[in-house]
Amino acid sequence: QLQLQESGPGLVKPSETLSLTCTVSGGSISSSSYYWGWIRQPPGKGLEWIGSINYSGSTYYNPSLMSRVTISVDTSKNQFALKLSPVTAADTAVYYCARKGSGPSDFFDFWGQGTLVTVSS
Amino acid sequence: QAGLTQPPSVSKDLRQTATLTCTGNSNNVGNQGAAWLQQHLGHPPKLLFYRNDNRPSGISERLSASRSGNTASLTITGLQPEDEADYYCSAWDSSLSAWVFGGGTKLTVL
Repeated sequence: QLQLQESGPGLVKPSETLSLTCTVSGGSISSSSYYWGWIRQPPGKGLEWIGSINYSGSTYYNPSLMSRVTISVDTSKNQFALKLSPVTAADTAVYYCARKGSGPSDFFDFWGQGTLVTVSS
Repeated sequence: QAGLTQPPSVSKDLRQTATLTCTGNSNNVGNQGAAWLQQHLGHPPKLLFYRNDNRPSGISERLSASRSGNTASLTITGLQPEDEADYYCSAWDSSLSAWVFGGGTKLTVL
């Protein structure tokens, strides 16, 4: 059974870099059939797509966050990662990693449990 | 960033039918179709439908989805206590080149 697990610091200071890793188990991140993405949810609020990447490193980002976001993939570790910099309190959210089929009609079908990142000094 | 429009809350009685709506425009819902997600408190979202009415395996047949023009709809029949959750719609917006979400609808089963 496919599982995705987010990991990283739960507290980040303003103006610093938020770094998270998503470890994929029960399936290969190297499959050409999927994209892998990050979505966040501020406490008590709705969902926001951050960006996505495939096994070859092809990325596409939310234009509203593009200047601050980098997503990378490490196929040897079956992981992909998110970096967001610099952060402010508005970046406080639960961050989810998820899998999406590579077809244009596909959507995010498997989600990690999410990890809360708080931006505070 | 422009998103999709969902009513903040819907309340229905047990065993009744609820229809949730999601309104976008011709660049997103009207063109690319919508996906629907269910989220229980403290849990990650769960995909219910993609591309309007495509159902992943394991999703109850009490749920159905459709689209008319720029509005997508999710219908849940025979409401059960476990249907009480937040429901989000999403679509690819070709003008923004981004996945956009609705603000979510909190469904209460009375």
